[in-house]
Amino acid sequence: AQSVTQLDSHVSVSEGTPVLLRCNYSSSYSPSLFWYVQHPNKGLQLLLKYTSAATLVKGINGFEAEFKKSETSFHLTKPSAHMSDAAEYFCVVTPDSSYKLIFGSGTRLLVRP
Amino acid sequence: NAGVTQTPKFQVLKTGQSMTLQCAQDMNHNSMYWYRQDPGMGLRLIYYSASEGTTDKGEVPNGYNVSRLNKREFSLRLESAAPSQTSVYFCASRGPGQGGNQPQHFGDGTRLSIL
Repeated sequence: AQSVTQLDSHVSVSEGTPVLLRCNYSSSYSPSLFWYVQHPNKGLQLLLKYTSAATLVKGINGFEAEFKKSETSFHLTKPSAHMSDAAEYFCVVTPDSSYKLIFGSGTRLLVRP
Repeated sequence: NAGVTQTPKFQVLKTGQSMTLQCAQDMNHNSMYWYRQDPGMGLRLIYYSASEGTTDKGEVPNGYNVSRLNKREFSLRLESAAPSQTSVYFCASRGPGQGGNQPQHFGDGTRLSIL
């Protein structure tokens, strides 16, 4: 069975410091992996996706994620946090050839001035 | 570019009332989805439609029905609303692509409260 675990429900950083949001997955197939961001009262916006072309994936707004098969991880990072990055972030996996997405429970990022 | 449009944005219902949530996409996508989002639980799939004319149950289908009216529109119906269905509902669509490597595009949600 496929699953996604986001290891932190809340992460707090100071503006200008690095961001690390952790995600581990379980999949029987070669998965596609995504990170989405959700700002308050908004829908989900795609940050980046991994689809086996390259293990280091760059997304929008300076975010990137590295796929590590040996660790079954897909952690999201950003070198320097901005106040506008405060939001909830979802790690998502879809098994190969599946129409469905499997969501992690989300990590709420707080950015302190 | 409108993307995925959901109506209404907010709704309050009484227990036992019925309601249909509307969703339309203008990206010519084949697949459409309905999710509910509850605190601490991420998004859970209610129903999906892989293509026009087909619908399938997701993780939490009980108490809901769907209609894929045409390629653009996918509606979600609550026949007899219950307080447990208080949630934020998201519609999404996805274009064609190999396997699961195409992302889904989301609407802004419908915030539904059932008293």
